[in-house]
Amino acid sequence: GNSVTQMEGPVTLSEEAFLTINCTYTATGYPSLFWYVQYPGEGLQLLLKATKADDKGSNKGFEATYRKETTSFHLEKGSVQVSDSAVYFCALSVRDNDMRFGAGTRLTVKP
Amino acid sequence: NAGVTQTPKFRILKIGQSMTLQCTQDMNHNYMYWYRQDPGMGLKLIYYSVGAGITDKGEVPNGYNVSRSTTEDFPLRLELAAPSQTSVYFCASRSGISATGELFFGEGSRLTVL
Repeated sequence: GNSVTQMEGPVTLSEEAFLTINCTYTATGYPSLFWYVQYPGEGLQLLLKATKADDKGSNKGFEATYRKETTSFHLEKGSVQVSDSAVYFCALSVRDNDMRFGAGTRLTVKP
Repeated sequence: NAGVTQTPKFRILKIGQSMTLQCTQDMNHNYMYWYRQDPGMGLKLIYYSVGAGITDKGEVPNGYNVSRSTTEDFPLRLELAAPSQTSVYFCASRSGISATGELFFGEGSRLTVL
């Protein structure tokens, strides 16, 4: 079946450090891939997405590239800020009636 | 800009009680979903709907029921609450045009069953 495996947390970084959160997927067909972010006490919101192989999604300094050969969609940011502290979810969608989520990775950025 | 609205935000139930979580969206989206979020487990799909009058089971439907009488509303019913249903519940919607579209989430409803 379709599933997502993402790097377990929690992850703690100092401000301005480089961030990578790994995400790999298993899917039948051609999935669209997403990163969602959940700030404390809020629902999930879309951070970025990519809909076909080699596409790069980007937003707020975050980037992720859809790698079909390695079935991966790793999230990166060159310089994290305290305000980036949140839980990050990798997700995939093959059909429009479903979206599968990873377990989430909690990021804490310290000043 | 309301988006997806869920009520209540918090609720404590006793074992065996029933309740309904309300969800309303004002984006005219065809697709609506209910997920539960357990610590370290990500989100699991409970039920979804592709339009008014049409619902279907997700990964973890046992103990829940849904209805979709209008495009806007998608309530989730717990008939006999059990401690295993202690979780945070999220309602989401999507335009449904294709698998490339994002989900829009409500702020969540935290349910505790004692």
